[in-house]
Amino acid sequence: DQQVKQNSPSLSVQEGRISILNCDYTNSMFDYFLWYKKYPAEGPTFLISISSIKDKNEDGRFTVFLNKSAKHLSLHIVPSQPGDSAVYFCAATTWYNFNKFYFGSGTKLNVKP
Amino acid sequence: EAGVTQFPSHSVIEKGQTVTLRCDPISGHDNLYWYRRVMGKEIKFLLHFVKESKQDESGMPNNRFLAERTGGTYSTLKVQPAELEDSGVYFCASSQSTGQYFGPGTRLTVT
Repeated sequence: DQQVKQNSPSLSVQEGRISILNCDYTNSMFDYFLWYKKYPAEGPTFLISISSIKDKNEDGRFTVFLNKSAKHLSLHIVPSQPGDSAVYFCAATTWYNFNKFYFGSGTKLNVKP
Repeated sequence: EAGVTQFPSHSVIEKGQTVTLRCDPISGHDNLYWYRRVMGKEIKFLLHFVKESKQDESGMPNNRFLAERTGGTYSTLKVQPAELEDSGVYFCASSQSTGQYFGPGTRLTVT
């Protein structure tokens, strides 16, 4: 049973505009969330994370929002750049087993020049 | 500093054959993880080593899969005998404290 879901397999955005990638989870015990970015033929690389004690975390052009009551998080990229084109994976974990990550199925972002 | 490396990058085998995947973690990282992504689906946790000990192998699909990490350095994941549903990309990751660093993956195709 998939506990982290990314319901949009793909997203296309114009360069300079905002990209919003969404992620839902079912397990209320998850208290730490991460976004990974993956280019073709490479492994996922860490992008940004958020703890459940926060509802927002920002790092440059990337902001992650967490809505615990809705069990939903989103990644905002502003402004989007062609180099952001990649597959983005949402992941979640718990404080009591921090080494086990639960990933979503990914969203392929295409930023058009 | 070298990243996580995996070998081979691709492997095509026939159903019933044996395949061994190798992962070299970042030097000094005690934690090593194996994950698998079946076509278009989620990246699924398989198991976690701390040095040479299996800390959590709850994600291993069945007893056709055997992971080892002798000496607490590199790790191997053997699939014997391989089945069609074993096809996918196998990722290895390593960490010292927080944050997992992933290798490029091994794409396994079972025909």
